[in-house]
Amino acid sequence: AQSVTQLGSHVSVSEGALVLLRCNYSSSVPPYLFWYVQYPNQGLQLLLKYTTGATLVKGINGFEAEFKKSETSFHLTKPSAHMSDAAEYFCAVRGRGYGKLTFGQGTILTVHP
Amino acid sequence: EAQVTQNPRYLITVTGKKLTVTCSQNMNHEYMSWYRQDPGLGLRQIYYSMNVEVTDKGDVPEGYKVSRKEKRNFPLILESPSPNQTSLYFCASNLDPSGHTDTQYFGPGTRLTVL
Repeated sequence: AQSVTQLGSHVSVSEGALVLLRCNYSSSVPPYLFWYVQYPNQGLQLLLKYTTGATLVKGINGFEAEFKKSETSFHLTKPSAHMSDAAEYFCAVRGRGYGKLTFGQGTILTVHP
Repeated sequence: EAQVTQNPRYLITVTGKKLTVTCSQNMNHEYMSWYRQDPGLGLRQIYYSMNVEVTDKGDVPEGYKVSRKEKRNFPLILESPSPNQTSLYFCASNLDPSGHTDTQYFGPGTRLTVL
């Protein structure tokens, strides 16, 4: 079994501020972890993923996430928010050896000037 | 260009009128799936297919049917749509879902309204 919890359905930051979107997961087998972004009226785009190896993963658009096994977390960060980062972000987990991707509830990021 | 396409992108229909949403991928992917997205619930898997003629239920299959007669196509069928099926639907595909390098690709979405 696997599940994902994203803390905070809405996050609001000022332009230039740190972005932190929280994700906690549960998985009965070692997980693969993903962050997807959805811009208004568009499909989902992969931001980054953790599969094996280095626990700090860098993605597109300056985002990164760190896999912390002890905390069962995979939080997404960006040092300095940009107006173009406004979107909905989804964390997802897939158990190693399984095909099913399970998504969190999503976090809407708003960036203020 | 590698992509997943869906049609139609927008659809308004009435209760009970059968409809089909098409999905096609040009990446020769084995695995395809359908999700519905609802506010506050994220994406939930409706059905998936591991290969041609192999389909299985996801988390919310009630009221939906699928078929996989060809590798590239995976249509979603609503035999008798109801208002609670009003949602945003995504088709997705990936090559090897159990592989650690695999990435799932999503279509642009179909916004369905059932009156």
